[in-house]
Amino acid sequence: RKEVEQDPGPFNVPEGATVAFNCTYSNSASQSFFWYRQDCRKEPKLLMSVYSSGNEDGRFTAQLNRASQYISLLIRDSKLSDSATYLCVVNIGGGKLIFGQGTELSVKP
Amino acid sequence: GAVVSQHPSRVICKSGTSVKIECRSLDFQATTMFWYRQFPKQSLMLMATSNEGSKATYEQGVEKDKFLINHASLTLSTLTVTSAHPEDSSFYICSAQRGGGDNEQFFGPGTRLTVL
Repeated sequence: RKEVEQDPGPFNVPEGATVAFNCTYSNSASQSFFWYRQDCRKEPKLLMSVYSSGNEDGRFTAQLNRASQYISLLIRDSKLSDSATYLCVVNIGGGKLIFGQGTELSVKP
Repeated sequence: GAVVSQHPSRVICKSGTSVKIECRSLDFQATTMFWYRQFPKQSLMLMATSNEGSKATYEQGVEKDKFLINHASLTLSTLTVTSAHPEDSSFYICSAQRGGGDNEQFFGPGTRLTVL
């Protein structure tokens, strides 16, 4: 079983749609959680950290459920520029980040 | 602030040669640097953790004699792929961490290695 699992997609959605990504992790001792965005052939960039209380940054909402070891990302009012691969990332301690395979999003006009 | 550079951005080499990749933190001192590898359509996989002035810690399955890591200063870490083979072709990405309680990792732009 992979340490961080995501649906690889691709998710093809029209502009303005709401899309949700899910992620599960296996290490119950994981300390912190993130969503990164990776554009084709580029390095990953931090989108947002994820907290149990849920957090929102503009059109993006992230949620963590420690009991079920589940992380989500919701994107509202999708833009063409949101097209990318979204990586679920878990810090298992000592600064070690474990990346999910990524979920590919394609927003169409 | 918090810019990390990598050099070269792309390298093509013949099988059997060694390739050195540099990772630099441009505007901060990085107590810890990390090296990742990403194959097409796969996730980033941590290869090793490098602390300035000490030996790197390699992840299981990563050959330390093949992937030589040097972290000689607080702003520079190097990864040398020795005797590269086609299966080493990949996207190599470094990240740097400031330390002192700041756990955020800042990623370099990556180096695309193609071994012929």
